[in-house]
Amino acid sequence: AQSVAQPEDQVNVAEGNPLTVKCTYSVSGNPYLFWYVQYPNRGLQFLLKYITGDNLVKGSYGFEAEFNKSQTSFHLKKPSALVSDSALYFCAVRDNEYGNKLVFGAGTILRVKS
Amino acid sequence: EAQVTQNPRYLITVTGKKLTVTCSQNMNHEYMSWYRQDPGLGLRQIYYSMNVEVTDKGDVPEGYKVSRKEKRNFPLILESPSPNQTSLYFCASSLRGRNTEAFFGQGTRLTVV
Repeated sequence: AQSVAQPEDQVNVAEGNPLTVKCTYSVSGNPYLFWYVQYPNRGLQFLLKYITGDNLVKGSYGFEAEFNKSQTSFHLKKPSALVSDSALYFCAVRDNEYGNKLVFGAGTILRVKS
Repeated sequence: EAQVTQNPRYLITVTGKKLTVTCSQNMNHEYMSWYRQDPGLGLRQIYYSMNVEVTDKGDVPEGYKVSRKEKRNFPLILESPSPNQTSLYFCASSLRGRNTEAFFGQGTRLTVV
């Protein structure tokens, strides 16, 4: 069965510093990986996805993610954090048996302090 | 504007009182799903639909029903809500294919007392 792990409940970073939110996955077959962000009292917003091709994927709001097949990781990164990036971040993988389902990690709270 | 619309956003109800949470999308997506979000557990799929009149159970279907009579609508029905169904619920839609992202509604925060 497909699964996603986000090992950090919370990540704290100072504004202007680089940020990384970690995600590892387990999937049979090719991985289709996604990052979503949830702001307070809002739905999930799509940030970026890895399907195939370049291991560095660029997405919305200056975020990018690095796919590493050997480490089965898909870490979310941003070179310079903003206070407005503070939110709950979810990593997800498509279930390759049931193509519609997204399997989510538990989520990581990102706090960016000024 | 492309969107998934859920109603209501907030709902407090009593145990056993039937309720329906509506979901509508305007993107002509084939796939629609319901998820519940609980702290420390992320989002878990309740039910999904691959097209009109085609629905199936997700990971946590107990206590829920769905229907898909029209492509744009996918209501979630709780016939007899219980306190363990207190949660944040999200409807999502997407095109066919594993490489497509899902679009989510704003969420419905349900409290069952």
